[in-house]
Amino acid sequence: GEDVEQSLFLSVREGDSSVINCTYTDSSSTYLYWYKQEPGAGLQLLTYIFSNMDMKQDQRLTVLLNKKDKHLSLRIADTQTGDSAIYFCAEIPAGMDSSYKLIFGSGTRLLVRP
Amino acid sequence: EAQVTQNPRYLITVTGKKLTVTCSQNMNHEYMSWYRQDPGLGLRQIYYSMNVEVTDKGDVPEGYKVSRKEKRNFPLILESPSPNQTSLYFCASSSLRGELFFGEGSRLTVL
Repeated sequence: GEDVEQSLFLSVREGDSSVINCTYTDSSSTYLYWYKQEPGAGLQLLTYIFSNMDMKQDQRLTVLLNKKDKHLSLRIADTQTGDSAIYFCAEIPAGMDSSYKLIFGSGTRLLVRP
Repeated sequence: EAQVTQNPRYLITVTGKKLTVTCSQNMNHEYMSWYRQDPGLGLRQIYYSMNVEVTDKGDVPEGYKVSRKEKRNFPLILESPSPNQTSLYFCASSSLRGELFFGEGSRLTVL
């Protein structure tokens, strides 16, 4: 079955880069997503990548997709204290074409130290 | 403002006392869903609805009911809550191919 795995915790110093990693099992996934959950709030879509792409860059965010290894990463450049949050990786399994069957990872808690 | 609104945000109740968590969206989305978030387990889908009067079980439906009588509303019903349903609950909605929008969450404690 589908499974999405992430490490639970990452701590970085303000101004450094953060790299949050995710592995998934469904090699036919169409879209892969990163969601951000700030304290006391719901999840917000941060960015996504289509499965035929290797990389996507959006300002301080870089998403890398290695389909061979089924590995997805989110790099945040110049990490700020406001980036402290839980980051969820999510995939739409093969055969699905909408959000209704998103599979979420367990989330990585990013702590940015001043 | 586009939003998903859940109520109540916080609730403490006792075992067996029926409760309903309401969810409403103002974006005319077809799809709505309920998730529960537990430490180390991420988000797990409870129920989802593709449109009015169309609902289906997610990964952890036991102990929950839902209804979708109107497009904007998707209440989550716990007929006889138990302590293992203590959790943080999220409602979400999207158009069929669009971004998933989440409510702010409802923290439920069952004693």
